[in-house]
Amino acid sequence: AQTVTQSQPEMSVQEAETVTLSCTYDTSESNYYLFWYKQPPSRQMILVIRQEAYKQQNATENRFSVNFQKAAKSFSLKISDSQLGDTAMYFCAFESQGGSEKLVFGKGTKLTVNP
Amino acid sequence: GAVVSQHPSWVICKSGTSVKIECRSLDFQATTMFWYRQFPKQSLMLMATSNEGSKATYEQGVEKDKFLINHASLTLSTLTVTSAHPEDSSFYICSARGDAYNEQFFGPGTRLTVL
Repeated sequence: AQTVTQSQPEMSVQEAETVTLSCTYDTSESNYYLFWYKQPPSRQMILVIRQEAYKQQNATENRFSVNFQKAAKSFSLKISDSQLGDTAMYFCAFESQGGSEKLVFGKGTKLTVNP
Repeated sequence: GAVVSQHPSWVICKSGTSVKIECRSLDFQATTMFWYRQFPKQSLMLMATSNEGSKATYEQGVEKDKFLINHASLTLSTLTVTSAHPEDSSFYICSARGDAYNEQFFGPGTRLTVL
């Protein structure tokens, strides 16, 4: 079974600075998807970024980018120019490709952006 | 992105009663819907996966007779918590996935409080 580990329960960053959230996973599969979701205080889950395992190029979405290291099974999220609205829980998630489409979530990292 | 709604957003009920939570995909056909449970300051725990017109597939440890899931149409899935008890109090989140999309879209969640 796949597992997703987020080793940082809480992190904080100053506004406008850069922060990196860590995620590692364990799988024997070669094809899969990885996601970062944001859950603000409203508790609405929002997709931040996704990465297909077969793509070597790291995904980017505006201020959000990932460092995907397939061999190391690592998938970190970098947030540049942090904004107050980035304050939220961030969950890393794994999905098998062509399988049950179930998401396996990590325990989450609570990020606080300070003014 | 696609929109998923949940109703109600918040419900309080007495112990022993049943509560129904609706999950609707508003602008796409959801071939698969997922139900999650989230305890305070914890991650999402998948309860079950439902496909339109089929019986739901429950995760290990989830009581099928207590958490009844029906996916009667391509836009609606319901979760009924039967004979609710205080330990069933939690935040319930649904997500939906359609053939036209390669990701899950999440509803805003339902907070259930059982007195």
